[in-house]
Amino acid sequence: AQSVTQPDIHITVSEGASLELRCNYSYGATPYLFWYVQSPGQGLQLLLKYFSGDTLVQGIKGFEAEFKRSQSSFNLRKPSVHWSDAAEYFCAVGAGNTGKLIFGQGTTLQVKP
Amino acid sequence: NAGVTQTPKFQVLKTGQSMTLQCAQDMNHEYMSWYRQDPGMGLRLIHYSVGAGITDQGEVPNGYNVSRSTTEDFPLRLLSAAPSQTSVYFCASSYWGKGNTEAFFGQGTRLTVV
Repeated sequence: AQSVTQPDIHITVSEGASLELRCNYSYGATPYLFWYVQSPGQGLQLLLKYFSGDTLVQGIKGFEAEFKRSQSSFNLRKPSVHWSDAAEYFCAVGAGNTGKLIFGQGTTLQVKP
Repeated sequence: NAGVTQTPKFQVLKTGQSMTLQCAQDMNHEYMSWYRQDPGMGLRLIHYSVGAGITDQGEVPNGYNVSRSTTEDFPLRLLSAAPSQTSVYFCASSYWGKGNTEAFFGQGTRLTVV
């Protein structure tokens, strides 16, 4: 069955520190992978996406993610976190040619000043 | 270009009442979906559509109906609201092509059933 796991429910980092959010997926074929961010009371904004090719994907707001097929992972990284990055982050996999997305449980990021 | 528009933004229902959550997109996307978001559970798919006249069930379809008479609109109906349907609901529209796809989300509807 297709699934996405985000092992960390809540992460706290200091402003200026580096960040890595973990995502593991289970999917039979080559996955379409996404990271979304949700600020409180808002909708979801796409940070980046991966389909094929270069396994290191650059996104908006200075985020990047690396696809590792051998580990079934698609971890999100940022070298230096800003206070405005505090939000909830969702990893998702696209389920075939249907428009459906399967989401992980989400990781809430808190940024300490 | 409005993108995906959901109405209402907030709603309180009494148990047993019915209502329709509206979703409209102006991007001519074939695919539309409804998700519900609950704390600690991420977003779960309720129903989805791959084109006008075609809908299918997602992970948590019970208690919800959908129809897709036009490309633009994809309403979600709650026939008899229950407290377990208290949640935040998101509508999404997307395009899918070989090597490229993206889903666009509405701002959500926060529903409370008392």
